[in-house]
Parts: sequence; structure tokens; C-alpha cells
Amino acid sequence: GAVVSQHPSWVICKSGTSVKIECRSLDFQATTMFWYRQFPKQSLMLMATSNEGSKATYEQGVEKDKFLINHASLTLSTLTVTSAHPEDSSFYICSMPPRGYTFGSGTRLTVV
Amino acid sequence: QKEVEQNSGPLSVPEGAIASLNCTYSDRGSQSFFWYRQYSGKSPELIMFIYSNGDKEDGRFTAQLNKASQYVSLLIRDSQPSDSATYLCAVSIQGAQKLVFGQGTRLTINP
Repeated sequence: GAVVSQHPSWVICKSGTSVKIECRSLDFQATTMFWYRQFPKQSLMLMATSNEGSKATYEQGVEKDKFLINHASLTLSTLTVTSAHPEDSSFYICSMPPRGYTFGSGTRLTVV
Repeated sequence: QKEVEQNSGPLSVPEGAIASLNCTYSDRGSQSFFWYRQYSGKSPELIMFIYSNGDKEDGRFTAQLNKASQYVSLLIRDSQPSDSATYLCAVSIQGAQKLVFGQGTRLTINP
């Protein structure tokens, strides 16, 4: 199956700072990547769809100016959480269709 | 009504028994159905997917789909303690690649 590499696996940052999360496709060119968020004891919620060469599509209720997505190439998509606050603390996971809808390893973000 | 519903559990099954996990969905346009296993603190891993009505078997796992009744299930035979995890049901809708997830069922296999 497809391999998706996600970094960092965990990050702790101070409130008000920005954090960048990378998601790389190692063996497949991905024109689309999905970014999910998972709060403790809850399921995955789609945040946005990253499209190579064009603007990301955000789900209702997700602030596009706060969660910046850049799909710069067919193998790399990044999610930047800007001006992070404690309520942004969550598990962020990228996913790459259609190769089995493989997920990255996830990034645990803690904002203190 | 939630788009994808699962019993959150916890579901407790003795080792060696069959674990049965159920999922219902609301959108009749749903086309693809996925089962993921997620260990605590880890990312979901795909167990199997099913598109057509009926059963699909892969090793100890069997997915069952009934589009008329809008449910999909996962059976785990010969349950092992290592099967203890949260199982997520996910559905994709026709024309869309994104997945909608259920809330997950926490499964515990007791030795």
C-alpha cells in the first residue's frame, strides 16, 4: 500500500505561536490530500482537502486563515496552525486517497 | 441524525470468540465502506474496505454490507488480545473521495 510520512509526530508549542505539520507521499503522486483532526475520545473530523496547485477546500466551521494548507507539490502537503491556542490541541492526521485511504502517522499537538 | 453511527461500546469479547462490530449510515448514495483499527495514541490503519453487497473475507476479518438496510459490519474471528482497539467505520459518498467517520467502537478482548 501507499506510504504516507507525517512530521513531526508530536509537538508542544506556546500559545500564540505557529506550528507546521508536513505530510509526504513516499511512493505515490497525490493531487489530493485530506487533513483530519481528532480530539480525545472522539472520531476523526475532516478539516480540509488539500489540492495540488490550487486552494484548499475547508469544511464548514474550519477557519481557513487559522489552518493554512499548502499543497506545493505532488508529494508534499503542509498544514500550518497559526496563532495556536490550547483549544487547538489535538491529533492531526493526513490521508491520501485513493490508495486504500492510507493515513499518515499523525501529529499530536499540545498548545500550552 | 449522524451520518455514520456506531455503538461506542465498550464491547468486551473473550479471547477466541467472534467479535461483531456494526455501523449504520444515512446517505443512500454512499458507495465505499471502510473499517479502520486505531490503537490508543496511534493513527488509524485500514483493515478492509467493501463496495458490493454481501460478505468480503480477509483472514480473520469479514466485512458485511447490506445497502438496502444501510448497514455494514465487521466480524473478527478467533479474537486475540492484540485486537483490542477502537474500530472506526468510514463511508465515502458517490463523487467524493473524502471519508465520513463514525464515532468508533472500543473493543476489548479478554484473555
